[in-house]
Amino acid sequence: AQKVTQAQTEISVVEKEDVTLDCVYETRDTTYYLFWYKQPPSGELVFLIRRNSFDEQNEISGRYSWNFQKSTSSFNFTITASQVVDSAVYFCALVGGETSGSRLTFGEGTQLTVNP
Amino acid sequence: DTEVTQTPKHLVMGMTNKKSLKCEQHMGHRAMYWYKQKAKKPPELMFVYSYEKLSINESVPSRFSPECPNSSLLNLHLHALQPEDSALYLCASSQEGLAIDTQYFGPGTRLTVL
Repeated sequence: AQKVTQAQTEISVVEKEDVTLDCVYETRDTTYYLFWYKQPPSGELVFLIRRNSFDEQNEISGRYSWNFQKSTSSFNFTITASQVVDSAVYFCALVGGETSGSRLTFGEGTQLTVNP
Repeated sequence: DTEVTQTPKHLVMGMTNKKSLKCEQHMGHRAMYWYKQKAKKPPELMFVYSYEKLSINESVPSRFSPECPNSSLLNLHLHALQPEDSALYLCASSQEGLAIDTQYFGPGTRLTVL
């Protein structure tokens, strides 16, 4: 069975602060894929990144960076110099390559509020 | 700009009504999905179509009836819904419906059942 845990239900920061959203996962598959999605108040889930289990390189995209560590089963997401437009619910998700088909297992989400 | 579109954006219906939600994708994808999302919860998978064939039905009640007329279009027919079916319904598409594929979501339809 797959499981994704986002222990932080809500985070509130002031603009320009850095913030890290935690994601811990469980899977028995050796091949799996991890995702982060952003859901602003409008409702659409916006794809941010996909990582496969064989690629532990960290990734940076503008103010966003991701730290994937297989040893701790974590795939954390950091926003540098946060902005009000970053306010949203962020979901971490997992697909097991051997057992899940295309079923995404989502974490419960982290509500990020960035205050001006 | 999203390449997955959903209509209508909002829908209010009574328990005896019949209505349909529509989804269209313009990315040439061969897999399409319906999800249901309640407030403050993650999306829950309902159905998956791959190459226009239903490949996954997550034990969804028969009052929800999916239809995939072609690989670009996905409908969800609603009949005799209950108030607890009120939710955000999200459509998504992916290249082939494989685990490796990224799912791209539409903006959703907010459904209220009175």
